[in-house]
Amino acid sequence: EDQVTQSPEALRLQEGESSSLNCSYTVSGLRGLFWYRQDPGKGPEFLFTLYSAGEEKEKERLKATLTKKESFLHITAPKPEDSATYLCAVNTPLVFGKGTRLSVIA
Amino acid sequence: DSGVTQTPKHLITATGQRVTLRCSPRSGDLSVYWYQQSLDQGLQFLIQYYNGEERAKGNILERFSAQQFPDLHSELNLSSLELGDSALYFCASSLGASGQHTQYFGPGTRLTVL
Repeated sequence: EDQVTQSPEALRLQEGESSSLNCSYTVSGLRGLFWYRQDPGKGPEFLFTLYSAGEEKEKERLKATLTKKESFLHITAPKPEDSATYLCAVNTPLVFGKGTRLSVIA
Repeated sequence: DSGVTQTPKHLITATGQRVTLRCSPRSGDLSVYWYQQSLDQGLQFLIQYYNGEERAKGNILERFSAQQFPDLHSELNLSSLELGDSALYFCASSLGASGQHTQYFGPGTRLTVL
């Protein structure tokens, strides 16, 4: 059974303070690892798909990396508008972690 | 905007009732998924359809059923509703059915059972 664990549960950063979110996964075979951003009461918004260890993808202040056991979402110089819950999921149907609630304070 | 639409946005109903949630996938996507999100459980997969056929089932209760129509839109039917069914219900769609295809989510339907 696929499993995903995200840490920390919540993270509070000052504007401009870079950090990383962790996603550990256990799967019998990885077909895809997905990062989503979710604002309260909204649907998850797709950010990245990673397929194999060593792969990296970037978008604005976000960079996602993948190893054989975990993925990191690095946030560089975050702004208040980056505040959201970040969800990690694997395979299809998606198995989600519980998310990291990020708050960026101005 | 992901291109996935869901109606209605909000639904308030009473215990024992039956409701239908509707989803239209992104243009060109053949696969539709339904997920339930509650505060304590996070996002849980319910059921997947691909090109009109049921493809995978998750933790979907027997009181719940779904179908995908020839025009590829999908409906999730929830019956004999209980207080615990109150949650956000999301539909997602993808081009194909495999784990390599990215799923795009709709805005969700918030169901409140009183």
